[in-house]
This record gives sequence, structure tokens and C-alpha cells, in this order.
Amino acid sequence: DGGITQSPKYLFRKEGQNVTLSCEQNLNHDAMYWYRQDPGQGLRLIYYSQIVNDFQKGDIAEGYSVSREKKESFPLTVTSAQKNPTAFYLCASSRSGFSNTEAFFGQGTRLTVV
Amino acid sequence: QQQVKQSPQSLIVQKGGISIINCAYENTAFDYFPWYQQFPGKGPALLIAIRPDVSEKKEGRFTISFNKSAKQFSLHIMDSQPGDSATYFCAASSAAGNKLTFGGGTRVLVKP
Repeated sequence: DGGITQSPKYLFRKEGQNVTLSCEQNLNHDAMYWYRQDPGQGLRLIYYSQIVNDFQKGDIAEGYSVSREKKESFPLTVTSAQKNPTAFYLCASSRSGFSNTEAFFGQGTRLTVV
Repeated sequence: QQQVKQSPQSLIVQKGGISIINCAYENTAFDYFPWYQQFPGKGPALLIAIRPDVSEKKEGRFTISFNKSAKQFSLHIMDSQPGDSATYFCAASSAAGNKLTFGGGTRVLVKP
């Protein structure tokens, strides 16, 4: 089955810890994205990558970091600098930019700070 | 700055009724307007999308109406079913942009 796999589904982080969320796709898509979802606020873009070894900041990149070493993988690290990391994180991919092709989303990772 | 405003935040409709969700945008460069459906604990999935060269697009029970001059677009769910109970997001993107801007979402509950 082709699609996007996010892991883990649930993640608990202690204050001051960095955690990494995994996102893998086997759709052969060039573009990958990370969104954060908070209740009542829709989805906000954290980072995106159009090609391997290149990525751009989205609207709320502070406290997050990413890498794109392989076409199929786009991990997100939530650093200790992120002041309010508890949220639902969604990874997406598309063949090219959003305005041209459908975007596919993973099932999400729910991160909770304990 | 919220570039895509969505209303209402929540909606309750009886089975067989019509659900209507409205969105307004500010950026006139937007040229792609998709709607996503999200079930609890799942990622959003593309439901239907429209470009500004048409005023309406219909796929089954779902219809998008687009008003370019008013910078508004809406989703109509005809003959609403309990299985349609979900959160719906409108979104917008431009050819020059590399991101999708989402509205705040509408939680729809269809009562049997």
C-alpha cells in the first residue's frame, strides 16, 4: 500500500527534552510538509521541503528542526526551545507544490509534554 | 493574520439535511481551493477542490460554490449522513506559493 507513515502515534516528552517524529512516504513524492494542529486553530505549517537536502521554514518554525536526507523521509525534531509543544503533528506529501497536485496526509502523532 | 476565515466553528444537522460551511480569503493570488475532511485521530483527506475559473463543482453529495468577486467559497453537503460527521477544513494555495493555508475548521455532527 502506498502512503505516508508517521510514528509513533503517541509520544510523551519531559520538559527540556528533544524528541523526533518520524515521517516516511512511499509515494515517490518530491514535496513533504509538517503541520501542527491545535484545537480550533486549523493546521499551521512548520516546515516544508520541495527536494532532497533542501527545506524551508513555514509559519511557526521556531523550536523545530527538520532534515531531508532521503526523498522518502522527513523527520521533525521538537526541541526544548519549543515552549508549547503539546499538539497533534501531521506530515503530508505531494508530487509537487500544493497548488498543482493533491496532498496526502499521514495519520498524525500526538505529542504530550509531561 | 488569518488569511482564510472559516465559519461556523461547529454545525449540527439532521440526517438528510444540508450542511453549509463558508470560507473567506484575503489573498487574491490564491488559485486553488481544496476542502479536507478529517475524522477524529486521523489525518485530513482531500474531499473536493476548485479553481477560480469555475463557479461551482459537484462530486456526489458534495458541492463547492465559488464567488471570486466576494473572495468567498463554500461547501455544501447534501443529504447529510451520520458518516459525514467529521471536521471539515477549507484551504487555499497560490501557484507561486509552496504552502497550503487552512481555515480554522468546522466540526459537523449529523444526527440520525
